[in-house]
Amino acid sequence: GDSVTQMEGPVTLSEEAFLTINCTYTATGYPSLFWYVQYPGEGLQLLLKATKADDKGSNKGFEATYRKETTSFHLEKGSVQVSDSAVYFCALRAGTSYGKLTFGQGTILTVHP
Amino acid sequence: GAGVSQSPSNKVTEKGKDVELRCDPISGHTALYWYRQSLGQGLEFLIYFQGNSAPDKSGLPSDRFSAERTGGSVSTLTIQRTQQEDSAVYLCASKLAGGPGGEQFFGPGTRLTVL
Repeated sequence: GDSVTQMEGPVTLSEEAFLTINCTYTATGYPSLFWYVQYPGEGLQLLLKATKADDKGSNKGFEATYRKETTSFHLEKGSVQVSDSAVYFCALRAGTSYGKLTFGQGTILTVHP
Repeated sequence: GAGVSQSPSNKVTEKGKDVELRCDPISGHTALYWYRQSLGQGLEFLIYFQGNSAPDKSGLPSDRFSAERTGGSVSTLTIQRTQQEDSAVYLCASKLAGGPGGEQFFGPGTRLTVL
């Protein structure tokens, strides 16, 4: 079945450091890929998405490129801020009829000043 | 406009009791999903509703779990004879229309603790 694997966390960085959170997936067909973010005390929010191979999703300085050849969708940001501290989830939506999301385990990111 | 709302925000119950969790989707959204976020299992799909169609219950972990959606709007997730492994955050999401496309908007969740 479909699955998503994220790098194990937690990840702790200093402000302005470079961030990479790895995500790989297994799916039949051609899934859409997503990164969701959960800030402390808030609900899940869509951060960015990519719907086909080689697409790059971007938002709030975060980027991720859909790599079909490596079945990956790694999240990157060039300079993190304290306000980026949150839990990040990689997810896929396979070609089902109703859009069920399959999530990775989540990665806790803490950014120190 | 109002987002997805869930109630209660926190629920503590004793093992063996039944609980009901409520979800109010965004007005006009016809698709509704329940997910569960737990330490051992991560974030997993439970059930999907689309309009008046029969729900997809393929993610429900046992027959103690059931859900309904009245009038195509509010949904209730019921867990009977709760067990400690049911402790988790239960998330509801809604989407404008059925089918695979479109963004799911998530509620804040209900944190269930089974003692």
